Amino acid sequence: KAGVTQTPRYLIKTRGQQVTLSCSPISGHRSVSWYQQTPGQGLQFLFEYFSETQRNKGNFPGRFSGRQFSNSRSEMNVSTLELGDSALYLCASSGGTANGYTFGSGTRLTVV
Amino acid sequence: AQSVTQLDSHVSVSEGTPVLLRCNYSSSYSPSLFWYVQHPNKGLQLLLKYTSAATLVKGINGFEAEFKKSETSFHLTKPSAHMSDAAEYFCVVSDRGGTKLVFGAGTILRVKS
Repeated sequence: KAGVTQTPRYLIKTRGQQVTLSCSPISGHRSVSWYQQTPGQGLQFLFEYFSETQRNKGNFPGRFSGRQFSNSRSEMNVSTLELGDSALYLCASSGGTANGYTFGSGTRLTVV
Repeated sequence: AQSVTQLDSHVSVSEGTPVLLRCNYSSSYSPSLFWYVQHPNKGLQLLLKYTSAATLVKGINGFEAEFKKSETSFHLTKPSAHMSDAAEYFCVVSDRGGTKLVFGAGTILRVKS
């Protein structure tokens, strides 16, 4: 069974640019969530989608957005990149809380 | 709001000795609790989960955790540490709807040979 796949693995962007990250969940999982990991703030929740609907959103500015497609694949977009957006972005998928959440390997974003 | 506190930022043990990583939680409802491990430059791997069934939860690689409601604790243990256990460990609580995970700050486990 394939795991959660995130692409790309590494990205280098310039301040002011925008970026799109992709996540393919485990087959059959309809919930996809995104987290930002930084040394200073740790792991913080960005948003969660289920059946193409955003059910929950973390405390991030509107520059951070996401969406989910009918095949459960998800993308997140960050516009007008800032240096502080440099982080490891992790995607997780779930078939239900009782089953836990499976994480991908992440996308390492560096903003210069 | 739910939260978790990991009581040690770093733990150092010798190979073959027991491991104890401490976690206290705060929740207004019966929580779902998890332990995840992250090896350097890797994603997060689920070690074990508690979802209101048995209070003693067994996970992968010989890890266990015990849910103690009276102490609001969910400590992670392993009888004998292995070098490959060196990593960062996160205690995590889920929100009531199961749509959001709240992470502790992490405990870095060092295993000495």
